[in-house]
This record gives sequence, structure tokens and C-alpha cells, in this order.
Amino acid sequence: KQEVTQIPAALSVPEGENLVLNCSFTDSAIYNLQWFRQDPGKGLTSLLLIQSSQREQTSGRLNASLDKSSGRSTLYIAASQPGDSATYLCASSDKYSGGGADGLTFGKGTHLIIQP
Amino acid sequence: DGGITQSPKYLFRKEGQNVTLSCEQNLNHDAMYWYRQDPGQGLRLIYYSQIVNDFQKGDIAEGYSVSREKKESFPLTVTSAQKNPTAFYLCASSIHSRNTEAFFGQGTRLTVV
Repeated sequence: KQEVTQIPAALSVPEGENLVLNCSFTDSAIYNLQWFRQDPGKGLTSLLLIQSSQREQTSGRLNASLDKSSGRSTLYIAASQPGDSATYLCASSDKYSGGGADGLTFGKGTHLIIQP
Repeated sequence: DGGITQSPKYLFRKEGQNVTLSCEQNLNHDAMYWYRQDPGQGLRLIYYSQIVNDFQKGDIAEGYSVSREKKESFPLTVTSAQKNPTAFYLCASSIHSRNTEAFFGQGTRLTVV
């Protein structure tokens, strides 16, 4: 059964820094990997989706990469701002879900604080 | 505005009661999902539906029930059999199951009083 791990669990950096959030997964048989942002008490906002055949996706200051062979994805945030403070979640869409269940497999998230 | 609407935002349940959480989408998506989020545990799949009139159990379906009578709607009932229902519940949808982008609602926080 797929396991998704996110490191670090929490991160606090000064405004303006570039930073990298890490996501690892144990089963490389995935359709895609998706990164989400969650603000406190809110739902998830989709940031980037990388198909299994792609190496990276970019949206504004965000860049996500995917290396299936090593079971890793990274989310790069350039020139961080206080408004980037949130919890960031990665999730895989798996080809062979345990027990036949559909849906995404989520990591526990990285809680990010950008200090003004 | 296209999107997923969950209601209510906050819900309080007494011991032994059944409660129903609403999820409506106007994205014309076939697939819909219910997840539960607990602190420190990440999101876990409760039920999913790939098409109208069909739904399947996820990883933690015990104590929950769903229906999918309309494409737009996928309500979740938390029954009295659910021993620890206090959690944040998130509904999601995607065009098809698995290999498409998932979109989420704003969540319902359920508290047992």
C-alpha cells in the first residue's frame, strides 16, 4: 500500500527566501502527483498537478518536480511571502490502490510559516 | 461560480444521533469523494463514487453511509455507529477517477457534544 511522507513537518523562514518542500512515496506506479495548499480551518486548494510522464510543472513562483524512479517530488517556492504561510500537502493518485479503493494517498503535510 | 459547496460549515452532534453533511458540485464531474482529516493523521478516504448510483468504500467507511442519486450531489451520513466522529470532513470531485485533478470544498467541522 502506498505511503506518502512529507519532510519537514514544519518550517519557518524569513520573508524573501527560496525554499523547498519534500514529498516521498513508496510505490512509483502512480498516475500523477498533486500539491495542495490548506489554510487553517479551510479546504484544500490545488496548486500543481504533475502527470507521471512529466518531470515538472510551474505556476508563478511555484515549481514542482517529480522523480518517479527515486519516489520523490519537491515543491519549490521562490521569493517567499507572508501570504505563503499555510500547510502544504502532496498526494499521489495510485495505479494499484490497496484493497481496490480509489482516491488519493496524502502525506501529513508541511506547516510553513513565512516571517515578515 | 463553478466549484464544490459543502454545508454546513460547522455541525454539532449529540451522542447517538445521525447527521448528514451536504456536498454539491457544479463542475460536471463524474467522480466524488469524502475524506476525513484529523490532526497529525492527514486525510483518509471514507467513500468515493465514480458515477451516479454507484459508490465504493474507502479506507475508513465503518460508521458512515453515502448516496449518489444525482451527479451533482454526494451527501455523507455520519451514523451513531461511528465511535469517534469529531473531525474535519472534506468533499472532493474530479472529472474522472484517479488520473485527473481533484478539487476540494471548504470542509465541514463536526463536533460531538
